[in-house]
Amino acid sequence: DSGVTQTPKHLITATGQRVTLRCSPRSGDLSVYWYQQSLDQGLQFLIQYYNGEERAKGNILERFSAQQFPDLHSELNLSSLELGDSALYFCASSVAGDRRNTGELFFGEGSRLTVL
Amino acid sequence: AQKITQTQPGMFVQEKEAVTLDCTYDTSDQSYGLFWYKQPSSGEMIFLIYQGSYDEQNATEGRYSLNFQKARKSANLVISASQLGDSAMYFCAMKGDFNKFYFGSGTKLNVKP
Repeated sequence: DSGVTQTPKHLITATGQRVTLRCSPRSGDLSVYWYQQSLDQGLQFLIQYYNGEERAKGNILERFSAQQFPDLHSELNLSSLELGDSALYFCASSVAGDRRNTGELFFGEGSRLTVL
Repeated sequence: AQKITQTQPGMFVQEKEAVTLDCTYDTSDQSYGLFWYKQPSSGEMIFLIYQGSYDEQNATEGRYSLNFQKARKSANLVISASQLGDSAMYFCAMKGDFNKFYFGSGTKLNVKP
């Protein structure tokens, strides 16, 4: 158990719909990351938050948005869903970086989204 | 620009043999961390091993070791005595400034009995 909790684990929805994925980071971790992994693909970085503020943005579509709340949990909102959005969405958390950049990413189990 | 390159999309290894998964990186950061993750078919991401850019000794964790060659910017993962349960996708990653992580495209390892 990594300590990162993601809900829901599985989600099936239709094209054009909107879904929200939720993530609770490990206790004490200030950084939250979202990744998308399509079938048999690598990890595509979507967005990173640090203590409630957006820190970095990757290849995140305009139809997608995210935020990190004061209690440090994060939500990823996916709207106007398309078939190609079907993927495994990971949330991960990490301690704040020190000078030597230790501190691995702890991944949740992922939310598997299927768009029909 | 920060980049992680894994040039082996797929590899086979015989059970009980050692295997090396390649990873090269590019960074202008002075301080960085290198990580390897395993993703079995069940999908979860499992942290395997970490190497800091200032660490002079190669990291080891059980059957996993990281062959760190800083001048060549390589951080290869060596798995000794492969087991069937090692069959999985393996990702190399780098952590740089501002807590940014960069992942390679992964190597799919198949261990043959």
